[in-house]
Amino acid sequence: GQNIDQPTEMTATEGAIVQINCTYQTSGFNGLFWYQQHAGEAPTFLSYNVLDGLEEKGRFSSFLSRSKGYSYLLLKELQMKDSASYLCAAMDSNYQLIWGAGTKLIIKP
Amino acid sequence: GAVVSQHPSRVICKSGTSVKIECRSLDFQATTMFWYRQFPKQSLMLMATSNEGSKATYEQGVEKDKFLINHASLTLSTLTVTSAHPEDSSFYICSARGADGSYEYEQYFGPGTRLTVT
Repeated sequence: GQNIDQPTEMTATEGAIVQINCTYQTSGFNGLFWYQQHAGEAPTFLSYNVLDGLEEKGRFSSFLSRSKGYSYLLLKELQMKDSASYLCAAMDSNYQLIWGAGTKLIIKP
Repeated sequence: GAVVSQHPSRVICKSGTSVKIECRSLDFQATTMFWYRQFPKQSLMLMATSNEGSKATYEQGVEKDKFLINHASLTLSTLTVTSAHPEDSSFYICSARGADGSYEYEQYFGPGTRLTVT
């Protein structure tokens, strides 16, 4: 079956770095997405990886290892506004997104 | 960037009535639109996938006669919750995916519609 695993909740300190891991199993693979979702709002796109390696975009970076079925989202210089849920989603062979349950990130001062 | 709008953002209706939610892609043609439902503190649950001009494909457990989806054009899809009941109260979110270029794989989300059935 298809499955996405990511931690339920993580806590980090303002100004620090946090890494949110995601492992996936899908029927075929057409890329890995990370979305940010603040409470009561719709998800917003953060990153898309389809090739192995690290993609850096400002304070956020995303890594993919297709052979390991593994990705992580790295957030640097954490700010209070980064408190949100982070959703990992893998695109299968039918170009459908398989969603993880999300990781709630709590930032403490 | 691609923009998806949803209307209304909030709706309160009485049990037994029907509610229509609109999802529009404002600056690109959305060949595929997705409808999700999200209950408090839970992840997104895909309800159905619709392609322009064809019938929607519903996920297992989603009643197609209760959740009517129409994707009549490349920029508009509607979800109608028929005979709504309190258990249908949820956050309904649409997303759209284009057919070409940078819009081909990414799903762009609308802002969501919070439905409360009393």
